[in-house]
Amino acid sequence: AQSVTQLGSHVSVSEGALVLLRCNYSSSVPPYLFWYVQYPNQGLQLLLKYTSAATLVKGINGFEAEFKKSETSFHLTKPSAHMSDAAEYFCAVSGYSSASKIIFGSGTRLSIRP
Amino acid sequence: EAGVVQSPRYKIIEKKQPVAFWCNPISGHNTLYWYLQNLGQGPELLIRYENEEAVDDSQLPKDRFSAERLKGVDSTLKIQPAELGDSAVYLCASSTGRGQSAGELFFGEGSRLTVL
Repeated sequence: AQSVTQLGSHVSVSEGALVLLRCNYSSSVPPYLFWYVQYPNQGLQLLLKYTSAATLVKGINGFEAEFKKSETSFHLTKPSAHMSDAAEYFCAVSGYSSASKIIFGSGTRLSIRP
Repeated sequence: EAGVVQSPRYKIIEKKQPVAFWCNPISGHNTLYWYLQNLGQGPELLIRYENEEAVDDSQLPKDRFSAERLKGVDSTLKIQPAELGDSAVYLCASSTGRGQSAGELFFGEGSRLTVL
């Protein structure tokens, strides 16, 4: 069985500050891990994914995430927040098999203060 | 390349009425998903298709929900009759469903349903 826990339903940072969105996963098989972003009134868009290659994954818009097996974590970071980063962010986990379900976390809403 | 197209974007109906949502996936994507997204929550899978076959419909409330994907391309999700608790956003997504791209989903903008 697989699950994802996102710590903090709402995170607020100042423009230019570090963004850190936390995600912990549980998986009985080696996981694929994903971060998706959802802007208001839009569908989800893939930010980045981990598929067992490099543990540090770089995505779009300056975001990156590090897979830490010992901590079962896949936290999302960005060195300097921009106003356009305000959105809902979802962490997701699946197994390697194409038949694996993709399980989404409950999301973290990121607000950026001017 | 056109993205995943969903319609309608918004639908308001009274309870006990039927409603249908339509989805056209990205060309060449064999895997199609319908997700339910309640306010402030992550998407929850309703049904997954591989071509025209529903390979995972375990979370679909079959007493009132139905879906079809004729010819393995576009898909329709129907609710009949709708209940107040069905108010949510219904998201359609597609993927190639193969290898490392299996979890790489492309989402439509969603259909927001309000049941009065």
